[in-house]
Amino acid sequence: GAGVSQSPSNKVTEKGKDVELRCDPISGHTALYWYRQSLGQGLEFLIYFQGNSAPDKSGLPSDRFSAERTGGSVSTLTIQRTQQEDSAVYLCASSSPGGRDTQYFGPGTRLTVL
Amino acid sequence: AQSVAQPEDQVNVAEGNPLTVKCTYSVSGNPYLFWYVQYPNRGLQFLLKYITGDNLVKGSYGFEAEFNKSQTSFHLKKPSALVSDSALYFCAVRDLNTGGFKTIFGAGTRLFVKA
Repeated sequence: GAGVSQSPSNKVTEKGKDVELRCDPISGHTALYWYRQSLGQGLEFLIYFQGNSAPDKSGLPSDRFSAERTGGSVSTLTIQRTQQEDSAVYLCASSSPGGRDTQYFGPGTRLTVL
Repeated sequence: AQSVAQPEDQVNVAEGNPLTVKCTYSVSGNPYLFWYVQYPNRGLQFLLKYITGDNLVKGSYGFEAEFNKSQTSFHLKKPSALVSDSALYFCAVRDLNTGGFKTIFGAGTRLFVKA
C-alpha cells in the first residue's frame, strides 16, 4: 500500500516568509509525528498527534511553528516568518494505534531559507 | 524526560567483521527502544525494537540488539558487516510510563563498512 507522503519535496523561501509543509500518513494510522533533521544533526521531535487527543507540542522550537491535523488524516506544519536557522529536512511519520508500534517515515521536505 | 545518547559519531568496520553501534538511554519508567536506519538518499526505515520479553532482539538485514537494563543500553550488533550496511543509524526511546507517544532520537551514528 501507499506509504507516508510529504509535499513539497523541496522548498526554497526567503527569510521572513511563511511556509506550509504537508504530510499524508498511511491510511488508518492514527498517530502522526513531525521531526526536524538539521545538517549533521539527529532527529529533533517537534509534535505528535494521536487520534482525537490533544497534540503533544512540547518539541516545537518557537511560537512561529504550528501544526494541525484535519479530519484525523492529513497534517500541515506551518512556519511563520522563517529564519535561516529553520533550514532543515522536515520529516513526517505515522504509526498505527498503540504505543508499541513502529513509525513509518515519509521522504521529508528539504526547506532552505535564504 | 527521556533521552538517548549515541556516543560515536562514526564507526568504521571492515567487511566481514562484527559491528557494534552503541546506544544508552534514560527514562523515568520502562522504555520502548528502537533502531532506525537511513540509507543515502532514502528515508528512515525501522530495523528493530524492544518492548518486553527477551533481551536479545532480532531485526531486519541480520541486525540484532541487546537490551541491558542495568547498563541502560541497547547496542546494535551484526555478526558480519556488509558494505551495503553503510548508513546512518538512529537509536530512539519512548517512555512507557508517561503513556505518551513522544519518541526521542539519538544524534545518529554513521557506519562505514570497507570492502
